[in-house]
Amino acid sequence: QQQVKQSPQSLIVQKGGISIINCAYENTAFDYFPWYQQFPGKGPALLIAIRPDVSEKKEGRFTISFNKSAKQFSLHIMDSQPGDSATYFCAANTGFQKLVFGTGTRLLVSP
Amino acid sequence: DTEVTQTPKHLVMGMTNKKSLKCEQHMGHRAMYWYKQKAKKPPELMFVYSYEKLSINESVPSRFSPECPNSSLLNLHLHALQPEDSALYLCASSQNRGPYEQYFGPGTRLTVT
Repeated sequence: QQQVKQSPQSLIVQKGGISIINCAYENTAFDYFPWYQQFPGKGPALLIAIRPDVSEKKEGRFTISFNKSAKQFSLHIMDSQPGDSATYFCAANTGFQKLVFGTGTRLLVSP
Repeated sequence: DTEVTQTPKHLVMGMTNKKSLKCEQHMGHRAMYWYKQKAKKPPELMFVYSYEKLSINESVPSRFSPECPNSSLLNLHLHALQPEDSALYLCASSQNRGPYEQYFGPGTRLTVT
């Protein structure tokens, strides 16, 4: 299965709160899992990525948690800020050039 | 520098027009990509070039014609488009080896009238 299932579709979080976006996959050949952040009218920006041999990766306020046995991974945004309001896409690939994207999560951080 | 540039930012064209989208990167990447993105949807892969050769065509209609003149440039030639082709067209680049970490440009917003 070449799908990556992403949830929730939309999310509202208070400023300072934690935003959590989840993704699940079936293809065990996936070996690279990036997250992209996209603002309206802009291209997706690579935010953070993880390989399956690591259970967690943190960069600033952004953390990926990876559960290989459950075939799930999630993005946590700590201390969420209004400037984090954007659409977030998880993705996966098998070591080739095709990225499989999740359906996207629209995050709104209220002031 | 992780910058991919695209021109123009916006393009309006009629169904009988011929136009081109341009993409440039100076990261030394040898893989370049064209994606199409509709509102509230993820990017959809259209074409991939590896070492200036077309390696993937995702069954894109022939009214879209890609070209890779050199390792830094990627063009998308447009002809006889339909209104449903209106979308954000994204260019991306990556190293031509795993994990193929892709960097996207800002996109061209195309409207077909």
